[in-house]
Amino acid sequence: DTGVSQDPRHKITKRGQNVTFRCDPISEHNRLYWYRQTLGQGPEFLTYFQNEAQLEKSRLLSDRFSAERPKGSFSTLEIQRTEQGDSAMYLCASSLAGSYEQYFGPGTRLTVT
Amino acid sequence: RKEVEQDPGPFNVPEGATVAFNCTYSNSASQSFFWYRQDCRKEPKLLMSVYSSGNEDGRFTAQLNRASQYISLLIRDSKLSDSATYLCVVPTNFGNEKLTFGTGTRLTIIP
Repeated sequence: DTGVSQDPRHKITKRGQNVTFRCDPISEHNRLYWYRQTLGQGPEFLTYFQNEAQLEKSRLLSDRFSAERPKGSFSTLEIQRTEQGDSAMYLCASSLAGSYEQYFGPGTRLTVT
Repeated sequence: RKEVEQDPGPFNVPEGATVAFNCTYSNSASQSFFWYRQDCRKEPKLLMSVYSSGNEDGRFTAQLNRASQYISLLIRDSKLSDSATYLCVVPTNFGNEKLTFGTGTRLTIIP
């Protein structure tokens, strides 16, 4: 399968713990995006990378959240000191620069207890 | 006004019927628009893009009214496999990188 992959698919953690998610984009895609989706809502933009550069961050991305794409390939999203309000589906997407179509991965479902 | 607003539904429609969804957007400078489809517990997938007045792809027609800042999606001869949530999407920057999604409209096709 050459689509976007995310790991883990599910994560249950206790409040206050740190979690890290990984996204592997489609190999030739140089743009990578992170979104968050809660029940009954559409995905909300968090941040995006072009190659290894993080070009935009949403104000939704508090200082507890950090994303990296160190070599311009896979990306990680870390949430520190998790809160119950962080419970959501975290979606990763990728695209080619100049293309409007973003391809989404299956998401990581985070539950904070 | 929300950036992108949709009627959340649910729409329960008999198989074979025609159904239409509406979406309004607040940024009058937006140039491109998209409809994504999201099946239950799955990721969103691009269904159609709309750049000018409209776009048609088989049973699906998307229309744009810039004056009213309004986008619609029409599905003709609906099939059971059309059951999904349909997300109206408007980029909020020139390069289409930052997508703003509506809440989605849930459609169930009834046999």
